[in-house]
Amino acid sequence: DVKVTQSSRYLVKRTGEKVFLECVQDMDHENMFWYRQDPGLGLRLIYFSYDVKMKEKGDIPEGYSVSREKKERFSLILESASTNQTSMYLCASTLVPGGAGGGYTFGSGTRLTVV
Amino acid sequence: ILNVEQSPQSLHVQEGDSTNFTCSFPSSNFYALHWYRWETAKSPEALFVMTLNGDEKKKGRISATLNTKEGYSYLYIKGSQPEDSATYLCAFFYNQGGKLIFGQGTELSVKP
Repeated sequence: DVKVTQSSRYLVKRTGEKVFLECVQDMDHENMFWYRQDPGLGLRLIYFSYDVKMKEKGDIPEGYSVSREKKERFSLILESASTNQTSMYLCASTLVPGGAGGGYTFGSGTRLTVV
Repeated sequence: ILNVEQSPQSLHVQEGDSTNFTCSFPSSNFYALHWYRWETAKSPEALFVMTLNGDEKKKGRISATLNTKEGYSYLYIKGSQPEDSATYLCAFFYNQGGKLIFGQGTELSVKP
């Protein structure tokens, strides 16, 4: 089974801190994604990557950046954490960009609180 | 702006009831429609990925249909069980843009 692992389940950071959220997948997927989930808003795409060293902005990239130096690892970076970035962050990966054949595989999420 | 709408937002049913949810999406540039189940404290899990108009998929008591021409999909649960309690997400993938766009989800609660 494809496994997507997020480094932390819960995280509390202070306003202004630089925050790294790590995501690792073990099935050689080229396509990786970062979403955030907020009540009433559903999953919103922050950034995605279709290849190593490649990144594309999603719908809400402001205040975030990403890094993909290796195929299996996709990191989300909050350059200067703010309270409005308190949220549940989900990483996902898939073999085919449209997900045909099995859909996206998600990590268990990181609940980030910025105080 | 592409929008995916799910209804209802929440649903409370008794064990044994059958239920269905709706997902509406843009009918142009369609590539795929996904359904996910997201249980509390777990990862979203893919239920179905549908690509063809008229597709019907089934997994145990759960089934889904797809109408790409009018832009909707239905998810049916027959004989709901407490373990079906979860948030059900649909997501639309379109040809230009390469992004999976999620609806807000339908939260299902099944009481014993």
